[in-house]
Amino acid sequence: EPEVTQTPSHQVTQMGQEVILRCVPISNHLYFYWYRQILGQKVEFLVSFYNNEISEKSEIFDDQFSVERPDGSNFTLKIRSTKLEDSAMYFCASSVGHFEKLFFGSGTQLSVL
Amino acid sequence: DAKTTQPNSMESNEEEPVHLPCNHSTISGTDYIHWYRQLPSQGPEYVIHGLTSNVNNRMASLAIAEDRKSSTLILHRATLRDAAVYYCILKQGGSEKLVFGKGTKLTVNP
Repeated sequence: EPEVTQTPSHQVTQMGQEVILRCVPISNHLYFYWYRQILGQKVEFLVSFYNNEISEKSEIFDDQFSVERPDGSNFTLKIRSTKLEDSAMYFCASSVGHFEKLFFGSGTQLSVL
Repeated sequence: DAKTTQPNSMESNEEEPVHLPCNHSTISGTDYIHWYRQLPSQGPEYVIHGLTSNVNNRMASLAIAEDRKSSTLILHRATLRDAAVYYCILKQGGSEKLVFGKGTKLTVNP
């Protein structure tokens, strides 16, 4: 079965540094998402992306966050100036259509020191 | 966001059926009922979804009450690999996001 691939699996960064989390969605999918899960807490929606623009975002997704699909295959989440509270598992997901099931990647564990 | 209520935890024995309940009394007419699960140290995994009619797939069955205020995810024969947190989620027709709650942690005993 096709998979959503995320790299790296674990990233450690210093507070205030910029990080880019990378994802390769399933090739024929049109909708892309980022979710995060702080340790021991719920999975939280961050942003959805369709037709090369953000279609929906949560309150968490402030000006420090941005998303991009730079080359038609990768989908990235950038955090400009990381904070301690950004430490979490970040999941990328994709779907064929708006009402279709989401396929999630195995996540990138971001640790901000 | 429409709210769902699930038991915090349930236990089952291997090869027995499991019925995971979900209450969603404030569901609206355009909300789809989605179930996802999350195995330890993995991302969420789609299980099944439906609107009004009962649904079956290779993983599970979804039984939806006639008034749509509750639903039940049925695993016909639990295996050890089914041990996970199961999330019942109402996806609004006009929204692209899934709103995860705390889910039900299913333990499967050998």
